[in-house]
Amino acid sequence: DQQVKQNSPSLSVQEGRISILNCDYTNSMFDYFLWYKKYPAEGPTFLISISSIKDKNEDGRFTVFLNKSAKHLSLHIVPSQPGDSAVYFCAARAAGNKLTFGGGTRVLVKP
Amino acid sequence: ETGVTQSPTHLIKTRGQQVTLRCSSQSGHNTVSWYQQALGQGPQFIFQYYREEENGRGNFPPRFSGLQFPNYSSELNVNALELDDSALYLCASSLELAGGAKNIQYFGAGTRLSVL
Repeated sequence: DQQVKQNSPSLSVQEGRISILNCDYTNSMFDYFLWYKKYPAEGPTFLISISSIKDKNEDGRFTVFLNKSAKHLSLHIVPSQPGDSAVYFCAARAAGNKLTFGGGTRVLVKP
Repeated sequence: ETGVTQSPTHLIKTRGQQVTLRCSSQSGHNTVSWYQQALGQGPQFIFQYYREEENGRGNFPPRFSGLQFPNYSSELNVNALELDDSALYLCASSLELAGGAKNIQYFGAGTRLSVL
């Protein structure tokens, strides 16, 4: 039973344009959501997070939106840069700080 | 650079053997979580250690066990290795405060285990 899903395994976007990554979840007990970025041969790097009591959090080029009624969150990257090419994981946190991850979306930003 | 270090980086074992993976947490962190990432999938939670005690476990059999030491470093042990145990094993550290807000988990680069 996959509680966190990223339905798009890959995304290709032109440099300077917006990248939109989507994530759906099923467990209403999740209280915190995070996005991690992963380069090959490196561990996941924390990018941005949002509490379940908010609907938007912004940090520079990165904005995360949360729609609790739809159990959906998205990550917007504007403008996209070639260095943003990586695999992005959505993660949700329940009690005990255990993270449940989605399967990841591979982003390719073309120059 | 997260300050979380894992060793070894790569490991090859045969079915039935035992393996120990190591993790040094970021300075000031008191909690270590272990995850298994199979090829093409997201990380899956194995277990978490807080102040040397197991503090939550995912859907993994008892042959996956762990330890946390007084300096908050940690080990993951896997007995009776199976082919499906081949994966990237990630360690994450965080600072958990009793009764307080949970903090961000910072990951190491992982240990890639191949079971032949």
